[in-house]
Parts: sequence; C-alpha cells; structure tokens
Amino acid sequence: NAGVTQTPKFQVLKTGQSMTLQCAQDMNHEYMSWYRQDPGMGLRLIHYSVGAGITDQGEVPNGYNVSRSTTEDFPLRLLSAAPSQTSVYFCASSRDYFTGELFFGEGSRLTVL
Amino acid sequence: AQSVTQLGSHVSVSEGALVLLRCNYSSSVPPYLFWYVQYPNQGLQLLLKYTSAATLVKGINGFEAEFKKSETSFHLTKPSAHMSDAAEYFCAVTTGTGTASKLTFGTGTRLQVTL
Repeated sequence: NAGVTQTPKFQVLKTGQSMTLQCAQDMNHEYMSWYRQDPGMGLRLIHYSVGAGITDQGEVPNGYNVSRSTTEDFPLRLLSAAPSQTSVYFCASSRDYFTGELFFGEGSRLTVL
Repeated sequence: AQSVTQLGSHVSVSEGALVLLRCNYSSSVPPYLFWYVQYPNQGLQLLLKYTSAATLVKGINGFEAEFKKSETSFHLTKPSAHMSDAAEYFCAVTTGTGTASKLTFGTGTRLQVTL
C-alpha cells in the first residue's frame, strides 16, 4: 500500500544546478500538488494539477516547473537552484480538487549551497 | 481570499491535561476546514474535517474540533493529552472555487507533551 512516494528523500545541490523531485501515487487520484514547508511559514502551494495534462500555479511558483503526463506522476523541476529554495518539499494527492483530503508523501529535504 | 491564523506556534501541556489548539479563519462564505497532524520526519495526515454538516467534528486519536461561525473559529481539542500526541498541527481552509479550489494552511502549532 504505497500511497504517495517521493524521491529522493535528501538532496544537496549547488547554486545553479538543476534537479527533479519525483512524485508518484498509486491511488488513481486526479488531483496532485507540491508544497514547500519552511519554519514558521507553514506549507505553501507551489504548483498543482487537477488531472493529466493540466497544471496551474500556486502561491510560490517562481523557480519551479511541473508537468503531468500521466495520472500517477507529478515531477517538480528546479531549473537553476537558489539558496532560497532550501526547504522540505511535499507532494500530495487527492481524489478530487475540492475535498481537501490530501494524502502526503514523506517529504524531500533539499539543501542548496 | 480565505486564510487561517493559528494562535501560538508552540503549546506545552502535561500528560493527561486538556489540549487546546486555536485556529481562526477569515471567510465570507462557509468554508471547508481541516486539521492535519505532522509527526517528526513524516508527511501530514488528516486529523479531521468540517464540511458544513455537524459543527462538532470528531477525528482520529480522540481529537475533536468545533466550528463556531460567530467567532470564525475552529479550535482543536483533546480532553487528555498523551505523549504520542507530540507533533505539529496545522489548520487549513479551502480557498477558491471549482478547479481553482485549493487548500491553504496555517503556520502550524507544535504541541509538546511533558510528564
């Protein structure tokens, strides 16, 4: 019963490097999203998708790209990492976009030097 | 735009004491409200939700929350704290409509339970 799987769990990057955080869910959920968690700021929405082929920006989308080619996968790309992107990233999915009942992955801790 | 405010970033209670975590929302229409819990080094999991049915909502692990429209509050309570309740708790509200609907989180309250 995997649920939402995120990889990698830890990553250290140098400023300017690129990388992709992977997210996969096996619950056939239409809605998927990416959040970042920073101390004292709660969780902030980066990007979300209401179905394959459809993505939209959240609260803090700058510096991040997403795509949704399948229902299962929703990767988050950092094109040119900056120290301000040091954070813990969470992928979450839901059966639909308005229930608010999100299922979260375990998180990916990213450090940008 | 709807938002939530959690009063108190840290709350400490003794084991067996009442837990009260405060959440106020700003909304011009009845919202959907949620409490999530995050244990150390884990993702968030749903504790309970309010969706305009009963105003007193019961969740997992003995927690409950009461929706009070007159006070725009959705405080989380548990009659008797247990050591295993130590975690960070997030209040959240749905914002937007239709396909733009999304969940907005508060800044979180870390609950410490002492012997």
